[in-house]
Amino acid sequence: TQLLEQSPQFLSIQEGENLTVYCNSSSVFSSLQWYRQEPGEGPVLLVTVVTGGEVKKLKRLTFQFGDARKDSSLHITAAQPGDTGLYLCAAPNAGNNRKLIWGLGTSLAVNP
Amino acid sequence: EPEVTQTPSHQVTQMGQEVILRCVPISNHLYFYWYRQILGQKVEFLVSFYNNEISEKSEIFDDQFSVERPDGSNFTLKIRSTKLEDSAMYFCASSERGWTEAFFGQGTRLTVV
Repeated sequence: TQLLEQSPQFLSIQEGENLTVYCNSSSVFSSLQWYRQEPGEGPVLLVTVVTGGEVKKLKRLTFQFGDARKDSSLHITAAQPGDTGLYLCAAPNAGNNRKLIWGLGTSLAVNP
Repeated sequence: EPEVTQTPSHQVTQMGQEVILRCVPISNHLYFYWYRQILGQKVEFLVSFYNNEISEKSEIFDDQFSVERPDGSNFTLKIRSTKLEDSAMYFCASSERGWTEAFFGQGTRLTVV
């Protein structure tokens, strides 16, 4: 069974701080996606990483895919209250690309 | 910006009743999905749909569940006889190419009482 483990599960920081959250697995994935979800809303796709070692930047967010394509990280620089939300990683099920498997998410709270 | 829309946003139903959750995918997308998220748990895949037929379904998607694309725009999930454990947020998603980069609707919160 493929699993995506996210850490930390909860994170509360002050505005302006930097943070990194992680998505780890023992399985190799063809790609990995990061989503952000707000309470009562659907997940919103932030980025897809495909190549081992790939780094993608989205304003203050930096996403990295591990060299072995088993893990990924999301780094936020100078966090703002608007970054508050649940950050989810998801990846296509290996051997069957027709569905995504998901981590449980990191719940981030950025306090003013 | 195109988006996936779902209706209703919240539905309360009695156990044993049938419910239909509706979705309008992004217009040029060809691949459609239903996922659900029980409160505090991971998002779970239910079913994927392409070319007017189910491509893949999970073990959750038993005979009580069905999907339909009745016209060129709507994509529905029917639960024939709801159970308490069906209470969850149900998300519809669609994608244009392949099976990744899916875009999600805002969800329908289903409460079975």
